[in-house]
Amino acid sequence: QQPVQSPQAVILREGEDAVINCSSSKALYSVHWYRQKHGEAPVFLMILLKGGEQKGHEKISASFNEKKQQSSLYLTASQLSYSGTYFCGTEGMEYGNKLVFGAGTILRVKS
Amino acid sequence: DTGVSQDPRHKITKRGQNVTFRCDPISEHNRLYWYRQTLGQGPEFLTYFQNEAQLEKSRLLSDRFSAERPKGSFSTLEIQRTEQGDSAMYLCASSFSRGDNPYEQYFGPGTRLTVT
Repeated sequence: QQPVQSPQAVILREGEDAVINCSSSKALYSVHWYRQKHGEAPVFLMILLKGGEQKGHEKISASFNEKKQQSSLYLTASQLSYSGTYFCGTEGMEYGNKLVFGAGTILRVKS
Repeated sequence: DTGVSQDPRHKITKRGQNVTFRCDPISEHNRLYWYRQTLGQGPEFLTYFQNEAQLEKSRLLSDRFSAERPKGSFSTLEIQRTEQGDSAMYLCASSFSRGDNPYEQYFGPGTRLTVT
């Protein structure tokens, strides 16, 4: 039931782009993206709903392929502050109003 | 600061003892969630409330765990007869939701539990 994230880790230089993927075997109603820095709480980035609605930060973009139950988070022109662990949380059609989180993707941006 | 707060931030206890954690959500939020997070993993759902009603509890959750949200504001999570496997970060999150539409959850800083 846990979504699968890829890659597990990625290292970038400032200014480079990255894509983080999240894939579920279950029919999804929504996908949520969070970033967590070491020792801190997860911070909301983006929510993508079935039907195409999106809510989130202006500088973050993401997509949700409802047919494939896949979501991708696009990080462009990365900054040092983008470093952290990115989690996708999926809300399934079967399992109601709760999020099931993936294991995370560790992103490190170097200067 | 009007974010989600949790107390205590750290708790060290001996195996077999009971512990209780508190979460104060963002004031206008009607939903409150408890998660557990271990190193290298994402948050794992434990339970959630809509106002004062506990609407869902994870099937993986032992009977030693209980949560309350008596007045639809703050919530407590109690673990009885703690075991070393309970050592984890316990996160609380809140959201404002209308109907079944999903809304973003805001997380608190967590309570790190260490069972010795």
